[in-house]
Amino acid sequence: GAVVSQHPSWVICKSGTSVKIECRSLDFQATTMFWYRQFPKQSLMLMATSNEGSKATYEQGVEKDKFLINHASLTLSTLTVTSAHPEDSSFYICSASTDRGDTQYFGPGTRLTVL
Amino acid sequence: QQQVKQSPQSLIVQKGGISIINCAYENTAFDYFPWYQQFPGKGPALLIAIRPDVSEKKEGRFTISFNKSAKQFSLHIMDSQPGDSATYFCAASNPNFGNEKLTFGTGTRLTIIP
Repeated sequence: GAVVSQHPSWVICKSGTSVKIECRSLDFQATTMFWYRQFPKQSLMLMATSNEGSKATYEQGVEKDKFLINHASLTLSTLTVTSAHPEDSSFYICSASTDRGDTQYFGPGTRLTVL
Repeated sequence: QQQVKQSPQSLIVQKGGISIINCAYENTAFDYFPWYQQFPGKGPALLIAIRPDVSEKKEGRFTISFNKSAKQFSLHIMDSQPGDSATYFCAASNPNFGNEKLTFGTGTRLTIIP
């Protein structure tokens, strides 16, 4: 149980284009989803927290107009990187938590490369 | 006050040995302490977690030891195997008060050698 999927697993795009990453909780309803960014050999950096049907809460320093988050249902959240640039290249990981709110289950991650 | 300090940064252990990773926190409001295992190119996977009402939790070869007064907790991997080679992250949160955000340690790269 508690499986989280992400799609796509990797994406390569040209500078200036937008990329959408999907995060789904497959066997449970996720009241809260989180989006992280991870650079090589570094820890996870929380970008934003989203609750179904409400606006995401962004961490300090994360541009909300660049990283658009939509949490349309209890099983789906999307992260759109708008006007991507090479410095946005990173490993993006989502996680989801249940009603109890303590355990976060992570997706497999999406490797974004911006050329 | 939100930091979680993790050590060592890297660790090499012989197969069959005990791997020990330590974490320390400052925020006494933290109430939930999970450990995650991450393989290269994959998302973190929950390994084991503890709440401060117990001092130790064991699941198979993995044990968390928790010292509330010292604000420290550690992961012990018994009979370490090459398949345990991965990066391990400790984390802390305070879900009881609606703050589910995990504060992660900096990670420990564990290598088990034959």
